[in-house]
Amino acid sequence: GAVVSQHPSRVICKSGTSVKIECRSLDFQATTMFWYRQFPKQSLMLMATSNEGSKATYEQGVEKDKFLINHASLTLSTLTVTSAHPEDSSFYICSAQNSGNTIYFGEGSWLTVV
Amino acid sequence: AQSVAQPEDQVNVAEGNPLTVKCTYSVSGNPYLFWYVQYPNRGLQFLLKYITGDNLVKGSYGFEAEFNKSQTSFHLKKPSALVSDSALYFCAVRDQAGTALIFGKGTTLSVSS
Repeated sequence: GAVVSQHPSRVICKSGTSVKIECRSLDFQATTMFWYRQFPKQSLMLMATSNEGSKATYEQGVEKDKFLINHASLTLSTLTVTSAHPEDSSFYICSAQNSGNTIYFGEGSWLTVV
Repeated sequence: AQSVAQPEDQVNVAEGNPLTVKCTYSVSGNPYLFWYVQYPNRGLQFLLKYITGDNLVKGSYGFEAEFNKSQTSFHLKKPSALVSDSALYFCAVRDQAGTALIFGKGTTLSVSS
């Protein structure tokens, strides 16, 4: 079946540094990928829609300069958290849509900013 | 605007009994409806979807969901619950292909042996 790979699964970074999270669709091409953020025991909050070859569309309240999204190919989207702060610590999940309009999710990435 | 409501924070059921996890939605057009399951510290696993066609949708692991347009509901069901079904379940909706899913708050299913 379709698989979406997310890397790293866990990352710890120092406050003020940047960290990149990769999202790959392994067996299908995804022109659109989505990035979500999830706080413990809460729902997924959409951060942005990543479109291959164009700028990402950010949801209201999400800082585009802080959460940089690059969708460089049909199988890869990256989320870079710039100048990370402890409040950015969270579970970040990406998803990708296949040609059958089913959306598959990655395993998520735990970010801890110390 | 689209929205999803999962009215129950938690559903408790004994193993072997039928289970239902409720979901209602609101969209401006025809809904695309999804159910996902999340185990602790993991991503979301796709269970099933409704786009069009039969109102009863069968999915993974013996789950099914019934689309009811008049009640704007898409409840998840399983005839006989397993302890391994214990997890967090999310209902999600979008109003057209290509757009992001909007999630409900999630329902924790606890199946006791």
